[in-house]
Formats: sequence, C-alpha cells, structure tokens
Amino acid sequence: NAGVTQTPKFRILKIGQSMTLQCTQDMNHNYMYWYRQDPGMGLKLIYYSVGAGITDKGEVPNGYNVSRSTTEDFPLRLELAAPSQTSVYFCASRPPGTGTNMNTEAFFGQGTRLTVV
Amino acid sequence: AQTVTQSQPEMSVQEAETVTLSCTYDTSESDYYLFWYKQPPSRQMILVIRQEAYKQQNATENRFSVNFQKAAKSFSLKISDSQLGDAAMYFCACITGTASKLTFGTGTRLQVTL
Repeated sequence: NAGVTQTPKFRILKIGQSMTLQCTQDMNHNYMYWYRQDPGMGLKLIYYSVGAGITDKGEVPNGYNVSRSTTEDFPLRLELAAPSQTSVYFCASRPPGTGTNMNTEAFFGQGTRLTVV
Repeated sequence: AQTVTQSQPEMSVQEAETVTLSCTYDTSESDYYLFWYKQPPSRQMILVIRQEAYKQQNATENRFSVNFQKAAKSFSLKISDSQLGDAAMYFCACITGTASKLTFGTGTRLQVTL
C-alpha cells in the first residue's frame, strides 16, 4: 500500500519559472490537503479538497493553484515562482469518517523540498 | 475558521521524566476534533493521539495522554517516561465537522536529554 506519494522529492526553480507538485493517494480518501512548512515553522494550509471537482482556499493560497479531477490526484501548481515560495510542501489525505464523525487520521506524503533562486 | 496556538517553541526533558506541551485553540464550531502529530527529523508526520470534543474523558495512548479543558479551549499533551526517540517537533491540530479544514499550530520542538 503506497499511501500518499509526492513527486518530486527535491526541486530547484529559478524565479519566474512554473512547476507542478504531484500528489497521489491510493486509499480512496475524499479529503486532500496541501501544506507548506517553512524552516522551523508549522504547517500552513494552502488549498484543500473535500472530493473530486471541489477545492477551496486555505490560509496562504496566493501564488498557487490546484485541481482535483480524480479522487486519487491533487496536483499543486506554482506559477511565476518567487523566493518566498521556498519551503517544504506536504500533501495529506483523510478518509471521510462515518456520519458527522470527522475524527479520522490524516496521512502525509514525505514532502517536496522546493528552493526558488 | 479555527486557529491553533502553541506558545512553546522549544521544550527540553530528561530521559525518563515527564513533559507537558501546551496547545490552545479557538473555533466557533461545537463539533470538532483535536490531534497531536509528531514530526521527527525524517519529516514524516506521525499521529500521536486524538480527542473528540464531545468526549469528556481524556485520551490516552501508552505513554502519551492529553489534558482536554473544553471551557478553556486547551489541549495539552503529556509525555511520560520520556525516551530519546520522543525528540521531534510536535504539532497540535484541529478539524471542525463542517469545514473539513485541518489546521495546525506552529509546533514545539522537544529535546530529550540523558
């Protein structure tokens, strides 16, 4: 069982370049999330999705875009990369729980370390 | 929207001793859930313990327990008999039943000394 897979693991971008961070989960989870973690800091929510075709902004969405065409995939697009986007990016997924019970564990990918120079 | 605050950037504990990590949260929802995650140097995020807001009983998982004070919106993590392997970043997190947003605090770095 692969869980949550993120690619690439490392990437160096030049200012102004674009790229897509890939995230795939094979657990049939409805909920998926993208976070960024700056050095020594916590996780800030960029975007999240409650199911295929539905996405919503988190705390720090500026400079990013997402799509959710399938349950499995939740790619994060960076347009016009800036040094402020240097960070470690984590993708996570969660099952929906039962009824209104949201007490389900989030599973995380191993992260993508992105440097913008 | 919910917020999660961890006021201790770093904590230190001696091996075999007990340490408590603090977390406060704020949400207008009545239905929410709280989590503690551990992040070792490998960057892997590991669930330590979880608590349902509607449950009065504090959650316990082996050496890890929480002190959930709903009125004070406080959710602290107690680690008993600390081990070297407990050294990591610890994140408190909250999710509400309606929004499905999983929000994290800024983390507490725990050092375990001999």
